[in-house]
Formats: sequence, C-alpha cells, structure tokens
Amino acid sequence: DAKTTQPPSMDCAEGRAANLPCNHSTISGNEYVYWYRQIHSQGPQYIIHGLKNNETNEMASLIITEDRKSSTLILPHATLRDTAVYYCIVSGTGTASKLTFGTGTRLQVTL
Amino acid sequence: NAGVTQTPKFRVLKTGQSMTLLCAQDMNHEYMYWYRQDPGMGLRLIHYSVGEGTTAKGEVPDGYNVSRLKKQNFLLGLESAAPSQTSVYFCASRPLVNSPLHFGNGTRLTVT
Repeated sequence: DAKTTQPPSMDCAEGRAANLPCNHSTISGNEYVYWYRQIHSQGPQYIIHGLKNNETNEMASLIITEDRKSSTLILPHATLRDTAVYYCIVSGTGTASKLTFGTGTRLQVTL
Repeated sequence: NAGVTQTPKFRVLKTGQSMTLLCAQDMNHEYMYWYRQDPGMGLRLIHYSVGEGTTAKGEVPDGYNVSRLKKQNFLLGLESAAPSQTSVYFCASRPLVNSPLHFGNGTRLTVT
C-alpha cells in the first residue's frame, strides 16, 4: 500500500472552506484514497473515498488529480465541530490489503 | 444495530498480567482489525483477520496474540503485559477489502 504525506497542522476560520492536501505519489492503479477523521480520542470516522473520479457526499468533497499523485479533501463550510485530526490513506484491493494510518493533519477551526 | 463494540473501555494492569480485549461487530463483516494509538501518534496495525478462522500480523504484532473463532468476534490477547503496551486500542471492521472501516470507541489500557 502506498504511503501518504500530509501537513501536520492547518487552521481554518469557521464558515470558510477547509482544503486539506495529501500527497500519494507512489499510488498504483488499483489503490483507493480514503479520508478519515478523529475527534479527540474517539475512534476514527470515515469521511469519503475515491479511486480516480472526484467524489462528493454530505460531509465533504474529494478532489483527486488526474495523475492520482495527490488529492484534496474539502470541507465546504467548516464548523468548530470539524476540529479534528484528518487522515489520508491509500489502500489496495488485495485480500491482505490494509489501511495504514500516518500522523494526519490536525485541523483547528476557529471563530 | 450496535456496530463495533469494544470491551472493556478502560483497564489498568500490572506488569506481567494477562488480559483479553474483545471486539464484537453485528454487521456481518468479513474483515476485522486491531490498531493501537500512542499519544500524539497515528494508528498502528497490530493484527488483522480476513475471515473467520484466519489471522495475520500487522505492523506491530510482538507481544500480542489474536483469535477469530467466530465471524463476529475478534479477540486481542496480551499474555504478559509490559508498560510499553500502555495505549489506546481500536478495533475496526469492514465488509469488503475496498470498503470503509467502521471503528469501535477504543479501550484505554494502562500497564504499570
């Protein structure tokens, strides 16, 4: 499974869009990009995932570059409750494939 | 539908004691995982299972054993606890290999 690189921390004003980048330059053709977040010490919460097309759900949008070497998670209107650690993970589809979590990006949403 | 349930939520052990952490899921998921998370760090995979009766080592398996005798349960054992195993342990499951993980709320273990 490919490794990912994320900035350690970011700030965002409440009500503005939060754009969290992730680099996964060694991603291979059958690997998905997943995003999770962890609020305080709770279990990580799934946000969104994609293979090559951009994806949107009720929580966020995922933009994957055409070469698939990087992606951006967009929270369109960040609130204080979006303050969390955000993890970008790449995972394949083989039986032994597993999700490896790095240290993520700590997003602080402020008034 | 409870999702992923971890038992116990908190535990304090003395060095050398043993214990078993239980993870139960009611979603009929094939894949189950045990992670540990140390302060300020991401999650590290301990062991995982791709189906009933199967287990495999993850990134940090030493000092732990696991069993998956029933599809819905994944047990993590510490035979002789050490202070280095003080951590928060998370269990997760998913139905297919390319589907999202569902996490439990964690077990906070302290070894003194």
